[in-house]
Amino acid sequence: EPEVTQTPSHQVTQMGQEVILRCVPISNHLYFYWYRQILGQKVEFLVSFYNNEISEKSEIFDDQFSVERPDGSNFTLKIRSTKLEDSAMYFCASSEGRGAYEQYFGPGTRLTVT
Amino acid sequence: RKEVEQDPGPFNVPEGATVAFNCTYSNSASQSFFWYRQDCRKEPKLLMSVYSSGNEDGRFTAQLNRASQYISLLIRDSKLSDSATYLCVVNLGDTGRRALTFGSGTRLQVQP
Repeated sequence: EPEVTQTPSHQVTQMGQEVILRCVPISNHLYFYWYRQILGQKVEFLVSFYNNEISEKSEIFDDQFSVERPDGSNFTLKIRSTKLEDSAMYFCASSEGRGAYEQYFGPGTRLTVT
Repeated sequence: RKEVEQDPGPFNVPEGATVAFNCTYSNSASQSFFWYRQDCRKEPKLLMSVYSSGNEDGRFTAQLNRASQYISLLIRDSKLSDSATYLCVVNLGDTGRRALTFGSGTRLQVQP
């Protein structure tokens, strides 16, 4: 069964450093997403991406965040200058698009900012 | 009012029990509705989509009441493996917007 994959599973970084989180969405899916979940809190939407551009973003997704699809398979989330409050689990998701709204999540990257 | 509201639980039930979870959502224009399950420190996994006519998948039945802005999930014959947090998830946007809004989840613990 096809699945979303993410690397790394755990990333530790120092405050102010840049990090790139990587995702490989399900191959025939057209929409890609990033969500985050701070420990003990609910899952929150960050951004959606379709046809090589951002289609929607939340208030959380400010100028320190960016997304890219550098090739035909990878989808990345970059955080330019990490803050302590960026520590969270980051989930990538994808969906088929068209009339299908179900989203399938990857296993997540746990980001720890020290 | 929270966008998606759930009773956090925990619901502690014996194996074989029937348990029901409820969820309310604030935006009457919401388009799509789902139940996901999340095990501790894992990703949300899609359990089922929820349709206006109601739908069933094995031991799981989901219902949607648009007039009351209310979604439910019924689990029959609970198994130990059903222990997890159940997330009510809604697409709150206009047609074409795909961001999912998650409730905080209802924790279920099935006991032997």
